[in-house]
Amino acid sequence: QVQLQESGQGLVKPSGTLSLSCTVSGGSISGYYWSWIRQPPGKGLEWIGFIYYSGSTNYNPSLKSRVTISVDTSKNQFSLKLSSVTATDTAVYYCARVPSTTGYYFHMDVWGKGTTVTVSS
Amino acid sequence: QSVLTQPPSASGTPGQRVTISCSGSRSNIGSNTVTWYQQLPGTAPKLLIYTNDQRPSGVPDRFSGSKSGTSASLAISGLQSEDEADYFCAAWDDSLNGLYVFGTGTKVTVL
Repeated sequence: QVQLQESGQGLVKPSGTLSLSCTVSGGSISGYYWSWIRQPPGKGLEWIGFIYYSGSTNYNPSLKSRVTISVDTSKNQFSLKLSSVTATDTAVYYCARVPSTTGYYFHMDVWGKGTTVTVSS
Repeated sequence: QSVLTQPPSASGTPGQRVTISCSGSRSNIGSNTVTWYQQLPGTAPKLLIYTNDQRPSGVPDRFSGSKSGTSASLAISGLQSEDEADYFCAAWDDSLNGLYVFGTGTKVTVL
């Protein structure tokens, strides 16, 4: 079955850029939307954005000015960059698959285990 | 920024029925389907209910979802100790360019 694995920096300095990747195994990245979600310590979930395998994106308006999500179909991988980070960006970051093709049915059926990113000097 | 409101906690004894509410607005629950995620302690969220009331393969039928207007509910019947977890509702929101919004989350405790 499809599995997702996040990887990247665990520690980022304030004002720096957070960079994470999500590798898809057991299936193809093609034909699906893929999402990033984060969860600050002890808090709820926040959707960051999604990318279609062809490259089209949609970002959370609250993060849009700082977020870039990209895809590399040759590596079966998609990535997240978040610039100008502060301590409030400290969170567990998850990647997930979106099996739906419209907002009406939007949901995420396969999740990675998550990776902790701490913003600190 | 959670725009879907859930009670912070719910509890019950083994075998009891527990219901969690999720309140939204016309632009999210009122216009799109609702999803429920279960997050066991220290783990990633797991898809529990999608398209308001559909269970993925492997999810026990003691979990059920419903939606009416701008609200949704998750019911757990025959509560079991392994159901102790955080539960989040979610839906697409049609405002601005569209975004996916989560509920505030409900911690279910099995007494």
